Amino acid sequence: GIQVEQSPPDLILQEGANSTLRCNFSDSVNNLQWFHQNPWGQLINLFYIPSGTKQNGRLSATTVATERYSLLYISSSQTTDSGVYFCAVRDFGNEKLTFGTGTRLTIIP
Amino acid sequence: DTGVSQNPRHKITKRGQNVTFRCDPISEHNRLYWYRQTLGQGPEFLTYFQNEAQLEKSRLLSDRFSAERPKGSFSTLEIQRTEQGDSAMYLCASSLGPLTGELFFGEGSRLTVL
Repeated sequence: GIQVEQSPPDLILQEGANSTLRCNFSDSVNNLQWFHQNPWGQLINLFYIPSGTKQNGRLSATTVATERYSLLYISSSQTTDSGVYFCAVRDFGNEKLTFGTGTRLTIIP
Repeated sequence: DTGVSQNPRHKITKRGQNVTFRCDPISEHNRLYWYRQTLGQGPEFLTYFQNEAQLEKSRLLSDRFSAERPKGSFSTLEIQRTEQGDSAMYLCASSLGPLTGELFFGEGSRLTVL
């Protein structure tokens, strides 16, 4: 099956800093989503981005499908950005989303 | 506007007991998915339904696990004869379908087996 790797596994930053999270995948995809898992365990949708670039406030994402990677940018980090960020993909001919192992982001005041 | 709803949110049970989780998807979403997440890992796919038909099951779904979606609306996931290894967060998601395939997740049901 498709492999999804996220880096870095852990990231500790000062409030106000910018960060870039990366997601590499091993095959062509028709769905790529970024999620933020809150402390209570719920997965919050950030972006549905199988290709191209999207922005939502301080967050933006870019997927380069031909090179099989996606990037999530967080600018001017706030303590509420802390948590685990997951990338999940769906390859062609497959119905399920396959998740990466996540990046744990900790923002220090 | 209601999102995906799951209950119970937390369940503590003794080994060997049966448990059932319920998921109510977003209205008009015809696809419903179950995932399991253990500590420190990403969610892993268990099974999915299109309307009332269960179309795929993971090898993670042992014989003790059964899922239903009898009328194509809500779904239940039952675990029989629970084991300590079943302790996990059980997540449900729904989507409109392949053309608008974004998945939306519920808050999850956390199971602890003592």
